[in-house]
Amino acid sequence: DIQMTQSPSTLSASVGDRVTITCRASQSITSRLAWYQQRPGKAPNLLIYKASGLESGVPSRFSGSGFGTEFSLTISSLQPDDFATYFCQQYQTYWTFGQGTKVEMK
Amino acid sequence: QVQLVQSGAEVKKPGASVKVSCKASGYIFTIYNMHWVRRAPGQGLEWMGMINPSGGSTNYAQKFQGRVTMTRDTSTTTVYMELSSLRSDDTAVYYCARSFGGQFHFDFWGQGTLVTVSS
Repeated sequence: DIQMTQSPSTLSASVGDRVTITCRASQSITSRLAWYQQRPGKAPNLLIYKASGLESGVPSRFSGSGFGTEFSLTISSLQPDDFATYFCQQYQTYWTFGQGTKVEMK
Repeated sequence: QVQLVQSGAEVKKPGASVKVSCKASGYIFTIYNMHWVRRAPGQGLEWMGMINPSGGSTNYAQKFQGRVTMTRDTSTTTVYMELSSLRSDDTAVYYCARSFGGQFHFDFWGQGTLVTVSS
């Protein structure tokens, strides 16, 4: 099974901050990685697919990068709506999620 | 517009079974695979398995083999997930989500169904 390790598990930040979350795969997943945002009581929402593809309707302050085993999600200027939990997901072999990163207000 | 509408919350006793439905609309039902993912309190997202609505073939995560059954009804464009021998640690929100194919992300999700297992 491919394991996904996200860091940090919690991130404290302020509105306007640049925020980066990383995700590491236990083996190469080429670019088959997605990022989701989940707000409390809501379903996950797709942000990024294929490591760096921005899903339609997602603000351009979200960006993704990486290939192979190392990936990152960056929010260029954190907005109030962005305080949420973020998950990476590999879909190279079946589907596995990272354990999540909670972005909270500093 | 694409919609995945799930059935309502359930409360079950340990050892019982639960069956959650997910009705799809707004797209060609048989083209997209449907997955089930759960999130237990304080935990992350966990992939449980998937069904290909076209032929009904399934693929279950090893952890749930023997306890989960996914089915579909093409006449009502609905998929079902049944989990048996429920335990307290099965308490979670269960989501359906679709993907275009075998190596694709999940682009639409249902709203979630809370399943509570308690004696």
